Amino acid sequence: AQSVTQPDIHITVSEGASLELRCNYSYGATPYLFWYVQSPGQGLQLLLKYFSGDTLVQGIKGFEAEFKRSQSSFNLRKPSVHWSDAAEYFCAVGPDTGRRALTFGSGTRLQVQP
Amino acid sequence: DAGVIQSPRHEVTEMGQEVTLRCKPISGHNSLFWYRQTMMRGLELLIYFNNNVPIDDSGMPEDRFSAKMPNASFSTLKIQPSEPRDSAVYFCASSGLGTSGGQYQETQYFGPGTRLLVL
Repeated sequence: AQSVTQPDIHITVSEGASLELRCNYSYGATPYLFWYVQSPGQGLQLLLKYFSGDTLVQGIKGFEAEFKRSQSSFNLRKPSVHWSDAAEYFCAVGPDTGRRALTFGSGTRLQVQP
Repeated sequence: DAGVIQSPRHEVTEMGQEVTLRCKPISGHNSLFWYRQTMMRGLELLIYFNNNVPIDDSGMPEDRFSAKMPNASFSTLKIQPSEPRDSAVYFCASSGLGTSGGQYQETQYFGPGTRLLVL
């Protein structure tokens, strides 16, 4: 069965600092990978996605992610964090064979210090 | 594009009452998904529809849960009777299947969610 691991439950960074959120996946075939962000009390907004091709993917709000097949990872990065980036970030892989369900990680909560 | 629309945004009800959650997918999308988010289990798929037809409801917790999609622009998730353990955030997502280079691709877009509290 496919799975997603986000090892960091909670991360605190200073505003202006760089950010990397880790995501490791287990998937039997070529994965489709996604990062979503959930602000407090809000829904899930798609940041970026990887289907194939260039392994470095650019997303919205200045985020990027790199697919590394050898490490089964899809880490999310941002060179300079803004206070408005404080939110919970979810990595997801899919679709589940036959079910079309996304499998989500448990999320990483990002706190930004002024 | 208004995105996926869900209503109500918040619902507080008493145990035993019927709860109906509503979703309007993005226009032109032919697939609709209902997910539930809890602290204990995270985000999990309950059911999804393709062209208004329920394809997989294996994630529906029990018979108290039912979902319908009478047309391409509307779906409901009903809980009857509701129980305190149903308290969660319920998300609706929609997608339009596409292919690129012969490969199947899909991106699911989520609504704002309905926060349900059953007392």
